[in-house]
Amino acid sequence: GAVVSQHPSWVICKSGTSVKIECRSLDFQATTMFWYRQFPKQSLMLMATSNEGSKATYEQGVEKDKFLINHASLTLSTLTVTSAHPEDSSFYICSAPTGLHYEQYFGPGTRLTVT
Amino acid sequence: QKEVEQNSGPLSVPEGAIASLNCTYSDRGSQSFFWYRQYSGKSPELIMSIYSNGDKEDGRFTAQLNKASQYVSLLIRDSQPSDSATYLCAVEPGANNLFFGTGTRLTVIP
Repeated sequence: GAVVSQHPSWVICKSGTSVKIECRSLDFQATTMFWYRQFPKQSLMLMATSNEGSKATYEQGVEKDKFLINHASLTLSTLTVTSAHPEDSSFYICSAPTGLHYEQYFGPGTRLTVT
Repeated sequence: QKEVEQNSGPLSVPEGAIASLNCTYSDRGSQSFFWYRQYSGKSPELIMSIYSNGDKEDGRFTAQLNKASQYVSLLIRDSQPSDSATYLCAVEPGANNLFFGTGTRLTVIP
């Protein structure tokens, strides 16, 4: 299957700082990527759809000024958590679709801890 | 009504048994259906896809699709402890969108 990478795999930051997470499609181009968040023992929650060359589309209740998304190229999308707070601590996962039937492949995830 | 519904479980089966995971969806126009496996602390991994009515087999996994009943299932034969995970059903209703169920947690008891 297709390969999607994320960096970093885990990060610890202090409250009030910003953190950038990268998502790369390694062996295919992705005009669209998705960002999810998952709290412990809960299901995936779609945060936003990242579109190459245009603005991201955010799900209801997700603050676009807090979670900045930039889809700079056909293989890279970044999520920046600005002014992070402890309640932003979560598992952030990106995915990218490819193939005739739009299979989504997930990155390995980034575990964010805000102290 | 949720787009994709799954029984959250937990579902427990003994080692060697068949595990049956079920999913229903609301959009009749959906064309593509996927099963993902997610181990605790890891991201989801695509394990099966199915696009037409009937069964599709891949090793110990069989996906079943019934569009008339808006139902898709995943059977795991000869279940192993390593199959213990949360299984996510995903449905693509068109327009390059994918909806996930909340997942069914499976435990295979040695």
